[in-house]
Amino acid sequence: QLQLQESGPGLVKTSETLSLTCSVSGGSIATSNYYWAWIRQPPGEWLEWIGSVFYTGTTYYNPSLMGRVTISVDTSNRQFSLTLRSVAAGDTATYYCARQGIGVSSFAFDIWGQGTKVIASS
Amino acid sequence: DIEMTQSPSSLSASVGDRVTITCRASQNIHTNLNWYQQRPGKAPKLLIYTTSSLQNGVPSRFSGGGSGTDFTLTITDLRPEDLGTYYCQQGHSNPRTFGRGTKVEIK
Repeated sequence: QLQLQESGPGLVKTSETLSLTCSVSGGSIATSNYYWAWIRQPPGEWLEWIGSVFYTGTTYYNPSLMGRVTISVDTSNRQFSLTLRSVAAGDTATYYCARQGIGVSSFAFDIWGQGTKVIASS
Repeated sequence: DIEMTQSPSSLSASVGDRVTITCRASQNIHTNLNWYQQRPGKAPKLLIYTTSSLQNGVPSRFSGGGSGTDFTLTITDLRPEDLGTYYCQQGHSNPRTFGRGTKVEIK
């Protein structure tokens, strides 16, 4: 059974860079049927899609974060990563990685990691 | 961006009740609509994709309908474990967007 697990620091200083990694186990990351996504949820708020990566490295980002975010994939280690630059207090959130179906599933996020809380503070 | 508007923002219902949550898209998204359940302190869980297809393992008391801009999630025979917040998400175009959620409480 495929599982996702986020890892990374729980605290990042404002103006610095946040880096998170999602490890995939129980299945392949190199599949043409799925994207691999990052989604975040500020405390007490709703979900925000950050972006998605295909196993070939093709990426799609939310324009609200464009210019600050990079998502990359490492198929040999079955991981994908999120880098968010110039972090501000508003980036404080729980960050989830998720598998995203392509096409007939309406690009649904069908498997999620447990989430990792990140606090951005000076 | 496609804006997703959910109503109500919260509701309280009794065990055994039928509950309906509405999601409206700011433009036509055909049937590219997904629903998630988020229990307190947990990651979201996919319930329904493409408007009405039940994800594997999800109880049949959950159902979805609609098309175009108006969609519904219905829970029949509400159970205590259905407590949580429900989100809709459009899969029509990037950026993928979610509704602000409907919090379901059990009386």
